Amino acid sequence: GAVVSQHPSWVICKSGTSVKIECRSLDFQATTMFWYRQFPKQSLMLMATSNEGSKATYEQGVEKDKFLINHASLTLSTLTVTSAHPEDSSFYICSAREELAGAYEQYFGPGTRLTVT
Amino acid sequence: LAKTTQPISMDSYEGQEVNITCSHNNIATNDYITWYQQFPSQGPRFIIQGYKTKVTNEVASLFIPADRKSSTLSLPRVSLSDTAVYYCLVGGGSNDYKLSFGAGTTVTVRA
Repeated sequence: GAVVSQHPSWVICKSGTSVKIECRSLDFQATTMFWYRQFPKQSLMLMATSNEGSKATYEQGVEKDKFLINHASLTLSTLTVTSAHPEDSSFYICSAREELAGAYEQYFGPGTRLTVT
Repeated sequence: LAKTTQPISMDSYEGQEVNITCSHNNIATNDYITWYQQFPSQGPRFIIQGYKTKVTNEVASLFIPADRKSSTLSLPRVSLSDTAVYYCLVGGGSNDYKLSFGAGTTVTVRA
């Protein structure tokens, strides 16, 4: 199957700093990518939809000025957590959508563990 | 987005077949049914996807009745390494490509 990578796999940052997470589709082009957040023992929560060449669409309750998303190419989307605080500590997962014979499959990255101290 | 309902947890033993049923009463005509597996601190892994009837691949089978209001993931002869959370998702059609995760089913396989 298709491969999606994330970088870094984990990051520790100080409160007030910004952190950028990259999501890449390695062997296919993805016009649409998605960003999820997952807290311990909970399910994945969709944060935003990243569209190549246009502004991201954020889910209700997600601050677009805090979680900046840039989808600059068909294989790369970035999520920047600005002015991070300890409550932003979470597991961030991206996915990329591939169209196959009229259906759409989503492939997920391995996730990025963010810890804000 | 169509809502899904799955059992919170299931226990099994090595070598047994595990069947997880998911309810999705308001599934739309364009929606596909997709199952993912997730291990701790990893991203979800695609298991199987179907639209109707039965789909089988090298790791699982997916049974979908004619009304498509439910589906059953069947894992044959599970092993300890199949202990994970399994998510049933509905959507992904051309008009609704956002996949929303429910609570999932935690499957625990014991020796």
